[in-house]
Amino acid sequence: AQKVTQAQTEISVVEKEDVTLDCVYETRDTTYYLFWYKQPPSGELVFLIRRNSFDEQNEISGRYSWNFQKSTSSFNFTITASQVVDSAVYFCALSEVTGANNLFFGTGTRLTVIP
Amino acid sequence: AAGVIQSPRHLIKEKRETATLKCYPIPRHDTVYWYQQGPGQDPQFLISFYEKMQSDKGSIPDRFSAQQFSDYHSELNMSSLELGDSALYFCASSSGEGGRPNTGELFFGEGSRLTVL
Repeated sequence: AQKVTQAQTEISVVEKEDVTLDCVYETRDTTYYLFWYKQPPSGELVFLIRRNSFDEQNEISGRYSWNFQKSTSSFNFTITASQVVDSAVYFCALSEVTGANNLFFGTGTRLTVIP
Repeated sequence: AAGVIQSPRHLIKEKRETATLKCYPIPRHDTVYWYQQGPGQDPQFLISFYEKMQSDKGSIPDRFSAQQFSDYHSELNMSSLELGDSALYFCASSSGEGGRPNTGELFFGEGSRLTVL
């Protein structure tokens, strides 16, 4: 069965600090996708990134970067020079290609960036 | 580009009433997923449809039913509403491949917020 663990329930940082959100997953599938979504106070789910299990390259997009480590089943998300607008709940999620046909979410990490 | 459209965006109902949520997937997407997100919770998978047939079932209560129509839009019907049904309901769509739903490209709507009084 699949499982996504986001051990950090809440994180607070001061603006301009860097912050890393942890995500550890479990799956029996050899092919799967990992995602990060942002949910601001307005409620919508904003897609940030999708990573295929065969692609372990780290990715950087502006102030966001992702570190995929298959050996430790982790897909961590770092925000550099955080801003108040980054305050939101961030969800890590997993979908299996040959297993369950749906997206399985972690419990989320609430990030608060203090001005 | 067209996104997933959900309606209504907000809905207020009394206990024991019935509610229907609608989801219009991205054009040419044949797979629809429904998720329920309670206050302070992560989204929980309810049910999915691929090519108008139910493809997977999650934690959907028996009081709820859903279907996907010939134009690929989907409706989630909720009866005998309870206070605990108050939640944000998300619909997502994707394009199937290899005869299976493809969760590699999943697009979410903005959600429908149901409040049961």
